[in-house]
Amino acid sequence: KAGVTQTPRYLIKTRGQQVTLSCSPISGHRSVSWYQQTPGQGLQFLFEYFSETQRNKGNFPGRFSGRQFSNSRSEMNVSTLELGDSALYLCASSLLPVSGNTIYFGEGSWLTVV
Amino acid sequence: AQKVTQAQTEISVVEKEDVTLDCVYETRDTTYYLFWYKQPPSGELVFLIRRNSFDEQNEISGRYSWNFQKSTSSFNFTITASQVVDSAVYFCALSEHGSGNTGKLIFGQGTTLQVKP
Repeated sequence: KAGVTQTPRYLIKTRGQQVTLSCSPISGHRSVSWYQQTPGQGLQFLFEYFSETQRNKGNFPGRFSGRQFSNSRSEMNVSTLELGDSALYLCASSLLPVSGNTIYFGEGSWLTVV
Repeated sequence: AQKVTQAQTEISVVEKEDVTLDCVYETRDTTYYLFWYKQPPSGELVFLIRRNSFDEQNEISGRYSWNFQKSTSSFNFTITASQVVDSAVYFCALSEHGSGNTGKLIFGQGTTLQVKP
């Protein structure tokens, strides 16, 4: 079956702009989480959604937001982009938002802020 | 505090050599889960294994094996007879059962493995 799908795969934005990234989880998976990966900070948890509700949030400013739709698809938005937001944004899905569930990742969206 | 440490930043081996990637974790929970993921240049994190804190049995899957030792809080990963296709960044991750009980993963910094022909 299809894996986690993320769009777009690559994008370049200018400082101050905003960006929206999309994620389609594996069919049947109802939990979606987002991670930011940078060379300096590594992989950091952004937030997790289940049943259209944010269940957990990492230590990121309010410029980072997300949502989940009734079909479990998710989007994340970053407003007022800064150079430091350049990163690989990874979406992941699992059956349920329960510790121990195997979490499967997409290929990510490579964001460059110039 | 929860933490995952992968002390080896980069490892370079020649094909067919065995290589072990180290992972040390910290958690106050008695119930937790450990994972290994592989990240090729494409960026996707590929799931390799999940182990819960109550199962200390070592596991072997083809050329891959994992050694979980609670006494030393380690969950090491060995690739036997390495191949060029094993070249990637490998991440160890921790998921705690604790309050909040979500699927949040805490990752180590990753180990870049280069297998030369």
